[in-house]
Amino acid sequence: IVMTQSPSFLSVSPGQRATLSCRASQGISTNLAWYQQKPGQAPRLLIYDASTRATDIPVRFSGSESGTNFTLTISSLQSEDSATYYCQQYKNWFWTFGQGTKVEI
Amino acid sequence: QVQMVQSGPEMKKPGASLKVSCTVSADSFSNLTIIWVRQAPGRGLEWMGRTIPFLNLPHYAPTFRDRVTITADRSTNTIYMELSSLRSEDTATYYCARGNGIRAEGMDVWGQGTTVIVSS
Repeated sequence: IVMTQSPSFLSVSPGQRATLSCRASQGISTNLAWYQQKPGQAPRLLIYDASTRATDIPVRFSGSESGTNFTLTISSLQSEDSATYYCQQYKNWFWTFGQGTKVEI
Repeated sequence: QVQMVQSGPEMKKPGASLKVSCTVSADSFSNLTIIWVRQAPGRGLEWMGRTIPFLNLPHYAPTFRDRVTITADRSTNTIYMELSSLRSEDTATYYCARGNGIRAEGMDVWGQGTTVIVSS
């Protein structure tokens, strides 16, 4: 299953909203996770089951699903949200990641 | 709080083999899903494979199937990832991670990463 993210790069001002997209090449139900990765750090799970926030994730991060299209929304961006964001499907035994969206604040 | 501690950095020559360890501090080690992911410098995340120690049933990404082996030592709560026939393209940071929940919905706890350089 190929995961395609868009855009590759996003520049947003503090306090604005960011909308990141991820499309699956075939149906994956809601078997999708989103991660945040900052330089030099391991990824951090933000969202799983397409829209469930992981433990201690701020409410400004939200996920949604429409068929094979998935969206990560970051409302009211803060400086610490500058990072690369990845989607990842776990529908079958072979998990795959999108190529990432770099968000610059 | 589950922690995953990986072995230290490695430098290998092309053609050699690599073995990275990941020790998990968790009472329910055997029931966890442990996943390996790698990231080449400046590149994205790449899923390599996973295992559930209790079942000893690994799955590997097709890209690595002939070169990677994931094993578990339940006596020490340690997972090993071995990669053979190394080439320069295997230069990357290798991460172990825990599957989130009993259904492994994503990966919620990550090791610190192990940097591997393959160079002659």
